[in-house]
Amino acid sequence: DAKTTQPTSMDCAEGRAANLPCNHSTISGNEYVYWYRQIHSQGPQYIIHGLKNNETNEMASLIITEDRKSSTLILPHATLRDTAVYYCIVRVYGSSNTGKLIFGQGTTLQVKP
Amino acid sequence: NAGVTQTPKFRILKIGQSMTLQCTQDMNHNYMYWYRQDPGMGLKLIYYSVGAGITDKGEVPNGYNVSRSTTEDFPLRLELAAPSQTSVYFCASRQTGGGTGELFFGEGSRLTVL
Repeated sequence: DAKTTQPTSMDCAEGRAANLPCNHSTISGNEYVYWYRQIHSQGPQYIIHGLKNNETNEMASLIITEDRKSSTLILPHATLRDTAVYYCIVRVYGSSNTGKLIFGQGTTLQVKP
Repeated sequence: NAGVTQTPKFRILKIGQSMTLQCTQDMNHNYMYWYRQDPGMGLKLIYYSVGAGITDKGEVPNGYNVSRSTTEDFPLRLELAAPSQTSVYFCASRQTGGGTGELFFGEGSRLTVL
């Protein structure tokens, strides 16, 4: 599975959009991009995933560049409760999946009043 | 449907002791994982399993052993505990094929080795 690179930390003002980047320049054609977040010391929580089209759900939007070498997670109206560590991982989906899932260091997002 | 259940939630060990962290899931997921998280750091994969009877090493397997005799259970064994194994341990599982493929995590087991 491809490795990912994320900034160590970011700040965002409450009510503003938080844009979290992720670089995955070695991503393969059959690898999906997944985003998780971890609040305090709880287990990470799934946010969203995508292959090549932009995706949106009730939590966030995922923008994947055309060459798929990077992506951005967007929290449209960040709240204080969105303060967390955000992880971007890439993996093969489906029967050809090796199973191995590697998390990087993630981005610590601090939402400020 | 309890999801992923880990026990114990907290444990203090003395150096050289052994223990088993239990993980069970009731979602009939084939894939299961053990991660550790040191303070202020990201998740590191210890071991994972793609099905009953099949396990494989992750990034940091030394000092640990696993077994997968059933689909539901994936215990993590610590032999000869060392202070470097002080960490929070997370078990996770996911479905193969269909659905979102997301990982479901347990609440974590906080282990201190003194």
